[in-house]
Amino acid sequence: AQKITQTQPGMFVQEKEAVTLDCTYDTSDQSYGLFWYKQPSSGEMIFLIYQGSYDEQNATEGRYSLNFQKARKSANLVISASQLGDSAMYFCAMREGLVNTGNQFYFGTGTSLTVIP
Amino acid sequence: EPEVTQTPSHQVTQMGQEVILRCVPISNHLYFYWYRQILGQKVEFLVSFYNNEISEKSEIFDDQFSVERPDGSNFTLKIRSTKLEDSAMYFCASQGVPYEQYFGPGTRLTVT
Repeated sequence: AQKITQTQPGMFVQEKEAVTLDCTYDTSDQSYGLFWYKQPSSGEMIFLIYQGSYDEQNATEGRYSLNFQKARKSANLVISASQLGDSAMYFCAMREGLVNTGNQFYFGTGTSLTVIP
Repeated sequence: EPEVTQTPSHQVTQMGQEVILRCVPISNHLYFYWYRQILGQKVEFLVSFYNNEISEKSEIFDDQFSVERPDGSNFTLKIRSTKLEDSAMYFCASQGVPYEQYFGPGTRLTVT
């Protein structure tokens, strides 16, 4: 089974609108972390937001928020007030185990977001 | 802000040749990683490195691959006898505490 599933290969959003990028995960660990990365066309991987499995509040970082639904094993990324510069690939990732270990990240297949002027 | 650096940004090599991809992680980080991303596909874990030894590796990381941290700052990935299917973007990442992995800008390897 896939550890991370992103079911939206491509998404379009109007500039200044909000958009939700879906991510579901699969783990039997109690401790895990969920991450979102942005990959612009230049190729680098930019960290956006983190949610720990024990965090009770949804994570927020500026215009990014993570809609964490633990029972459903979903960790959707919400981008508010979309900007043209948000056009990029977005990857959801998970690391199992305690937060300060060096375990590998499992990545999803990504969602390509296009912001329309 | 500290960053992970990688050299070269693009490497072209002939099939069967050896390549060394270099990374300078963030200086006070403890865990180091290599990932690869074949064009248009997801990022795949290759290997993690902690305390001067491999802590975890994937099925992709076979005998063709090796890593080392020769001088306490550089972190290298060596690919022996490259194959066409090794063409990909290779990302180095480092992690301090508590949780975030910082990725380098990547090295695009093209095997011809």
